Amino acid sequence: ETGVTQSPTHLIKTRGQQVTLRCSSQSGHNTVSWYQQALGQGPQFIFQYYREEENGRGNFPPRFSGLQFPNYSSELNVNALELDDSALYLCASSSTSVGGYTFGSGTRLTVV
Amino acid sequence: AQSVTQPDIHITVSEGASLELRCNYSYGATPYLFWYVQSPGQGLQLLLKYFSGDTLVQGIKGFEAEFKRSQSSFNLRKPSVHWSDAAEYFCAVGINTGTASKLTFGTGTRLQVTL
Repeated sequence: ETGVTQSPTHLIKTRGQQVTLRCSSQSGHNTVSWYQQALGQGPQFIFQYYREEENGRGNFPPRFSGLQFPNYSSELNVNALELDDSALYLCASSSTSVGGYTFGSGTRLTVV
Repeated sequence: AQSVTQPDIHITVSEGASLELRCNYSYGATPYLFWYVQSPGQGLQLLLKYFSGDTLVQGIKGFEAEFKRSQSSFNLRKPSVHWSDAAEYFCAVGINTGTASKLTFGTGTRLQVTL
């Protein structure tokens, strides 16, 4: 059973640029969620994808968008990067139940 | 809306001593409750979870937690801490809304273990 894989592990971008983060879900999981964890904070829910559609969203602006593919992998896209977007971005896959989350190791994004 | 409070930002204990990390939640219905651990630069590892039934939950690495509805608490305990337990600990409440689900996390408690 493979776990959740995220790429890249680290990324440095300039303010105003766009970034794409990737996540491969655990085998058998059809739901992917993304969380943003700022330094010294708990993770904050960005959105969730189920069967290739967004079915839940946290308090994040539209420049945060995502995709889920037929193989249940997912991308998180952030446009017009701001300094405050610097954070650890965590992907979690599950089989629809909130009790079954498996988290990846995250992508550390630094915006300069 | 649901929320989670972890009152202790930083706790230091000696190796071999007992540990209790506090967590209080706010949620209108019966909550799903979780404790996760995060080592520096790493993702989140699930320690234990409570959905229903026995209010004392056993987890991995010798951790346990007790759900107290009257106090809206879900405190994490370990009888004897090991140096490898040093990490950040997060309490979370989970909700399911139809096909969607999400976790709301507390701000975390950093555990330091002295030898």
